Amino acid sequence: KQEVTQIPAALSVPEGENLVLNCSFTDSAIYNLQWFRQDPGKGLTSLLLIQSSQREQTSGRLNASLDKSSGRSTLYIAASQPGDSATYLCAVGRGLPLFSGGSNYKLTFGKGTLLTVNP
Amino acid sequence: EAGVAQSPRYKIIEKRQSVAFWCNPISGHATLYWYQQILGQGPKLLIQFQNNGVVDDSQLPKDRFSAERLKGVDSTLKIQPAKLEDSAVYLCATGRDRRYNEQFFGPGTRLTVL
Repeated sequence: KQEVTQIPAALSVPEGENLVLNCSFTDSAIYNLQWFRQDPGKGLTSLLLIQSSQREQTSGRLNASLDKSSGRSTLYIAASQPGDSATYLCAVGRGLPLFSGGSNYKLTFGKGTLLTVNP
Repeated sequence: EAGVAQSPRYKIIEKRQSVAFWCNPISGHATLYWYQQILGQGPKLLIQFQNNGVVDDSQLPKDRFSAERLKGVDSTLKIQPAKLEDSAVYLCATGRDRRYNEQFFGPGTRLTVL
């Protein structure tokens, strides 16, 4: 059974700092890994998706890395802003999607890291 | 493109009552998921549809939960009867079931069972 752990559970930083959020998973046989952002009372917004064959993905001030063999991913946020305050969730996709001939693809989520960026 | 729509956004009911949630996926998305997110936890998959067929409902408490996806578009999730522990946010997500298998989430329905 896949287990996903996110550290730290909460993080408070001053505006402008660079920061790293960590995600670890127990089963390295993954299909992909996705980072999401969740604002209070709202759904999840996809930030970055890394396929199992990739090492990293970048979008603006965000960079996500994947080390499948060690079961780890990091989300790096550069020059943090108060608008980055939210809960960040890591989700690991295992199994094969339908278009790949499988039927058991499933996302397993961590509990998230609550980030507060102070002005 | 328009996002995933869900309604209602909030619902408060007494235990043992029934409740239904509705999801309208992004146009053209064949795959639809319902997740349950309890406060302080990550979302947990309840059921997955491909068009109007069920792909995975292994974590759906079938004695009280049911879901359907008519004509492979909109979906409803029902709880009957509700228990206190069903208090959670119910999230609908959809995907194209193509290369990256990325999922797109709706705003969720927050259910409070008293």
